[in-house]
Amino acid sequence: DAGVIQSPRHEVTEMGQEVTLRCKPISGHDYLFWYRQTMMRGLELLIYFNNNVPIDDSGMPEDRFSAKMPNASFSTLKIQPSEPRDSAVYFCASSAYPLEQYFGPGTRLTVT
Amino acid sequence: KNEVEQSPQNLTAQEGEFITINCSYSVGISALHWLQQHPGGGIVSLFMLSSGKKKHGRLIATINIQEKHSSLHITASHPRDSAVYICAVRPLLFNDMRFGAGTRLTVKP
Repeated sequence: DAGVIQSPRHEVTEMGQEVTLRCKPISGHDYLFWYRQTMMRGLELLIYFNNNVPIDDSGMPEDRFSAKMPNASFSTLKIQPSEPRDSAVYFCASSAYPLEQYFGPGTRLTVT
Repeated sequence: KNEVEQSPQNLTAQEGEFITINCSYSVGISALHWLQQHPGGGIVSLFMLSSGKKKHGRLIATINIQEKHSSLHITASHPRDSAVYICAVRPLLFNDMRFGAGTRLTVKP
């Protein structure tokens, strides 16, 4: 198995632009998680899905952030408009509950 | 106060030393995870525990549910063990994870 796949691996964009991060979970996993990691706050859960349905989005910072999971093999995290404080590494992870989570390699986002 | 507290924050050891990293948590949990994050940034799950003890090679993880405490031990440490070790808990009734701030381990040759 290729593991959790994220794209792009690096993204540099200007403030105000729309950013879309993509994730392909491991086949057969029914949970998908989006996390953000910064130096100041460490790892934080943004949102998670079960069977493509968003279960808890209380970690999404504000309305500029949105996430979708149109099918079992694809999810997106969108930031519109982006701001410099959104600069972070964004991780996607998947699991087959109640087993452990598998993390993708992350997307390093820089907003200038 | 964070729900998950790790100690120490930073740890420097000489190659061959026995390492212990501690994690305390304040919520009821269904599982506790130890994660390893290398300088390149990738995150790998080392252990998932709900009771007792697990061992994988030179790594040992223990958990005491009553005391809400877990430890990660590394025997015969090696420079390639240098990484950030993160404790994370899965609260009861939820399937999200709450993370500690991490312990940065540096093992010198």
